[in-house]
Amino acid sequence: DSGVTQTPKHLITATGQRVTLRCSPRSGDLSVYWYQQSLDQGLQFLIQYYNGEERAKGNILERFSAQQFPDLHSELNLSSLELGDSALYFCASSAKGGLAGVNEQFFGPGTRLTVL
Amino acid sequence: EDQVTQSPEALRLQEGESSSLNCSYTVSGLRGLFWYRQDPGKGPEFLFTLYSAGEEKEKERLKATLTKKESFLHITAPKPEDSATYLCAVQGSSLGYSSASKIIFGSGTRLSIRP
Repeated sequence: DSGVTQTPKHLITATGQRVTLRCSPRSGDLSVYWYQQSLDQGLQFLIQYYNGEERAKGNILERFSAQQFPDLHSELNLSSLELGDSALYFCASSAKGGLAGVNEQFFGPGTRLTVL
Repeated sequence: EDQVTQSPEALRLQEGESSSLNCSYTVSGLRGLFWYRQDPGKGPEFLFTLYSAGEEKEKERLKATLTKKESFLHITAPKPEDSATYLCAVQGSSLGYSSASKIIFGSGTRLSIRP
């Protein structure tokens, strides 16, 4: 158990809908990362938040957005869903996330999103 | 551009047959190289961080080593429970803060150990 929690575990929805995925980082970690992993694909970095502020952006679609709240939990919002958005979405957290330091990331169990 | 390449894509071994997985990287100023294990449908599990060339770390049947261009994950006398996908990732230095903390993942090596 990494200490990172994600809800829900599974989500089934229809095309065009909007969903919200939730992540709670390990106690004391300030940084949260979101990744997408499609079937037989590698981990694709989406976005990082550090202590409430956006820190780095990867291949995140405009239909997707995220935020980190004062209690450091984070939410990933996916809208206008398409069939191709079906994937595992992982959240990871690290103690640091700024310019200095090495950011060992600890992953949550993931949310499996199925778009029908 | 930072890049991570893992080989082979898949590896099938007999129980007890030792081997190595390779991770080649190109990064501007390596801060850290990470190894993860991922079971199907689960989140990656952190294994090791290596910081500089020459460094080695061990955990049970796994040993990770690092040179200036690549890292190896050596598996000694593997057991069926070692079957998983092993991911390598790097974090580099950058003048711009927007990418300083990003980690680049390789596509992984799918390891299968037959009893």
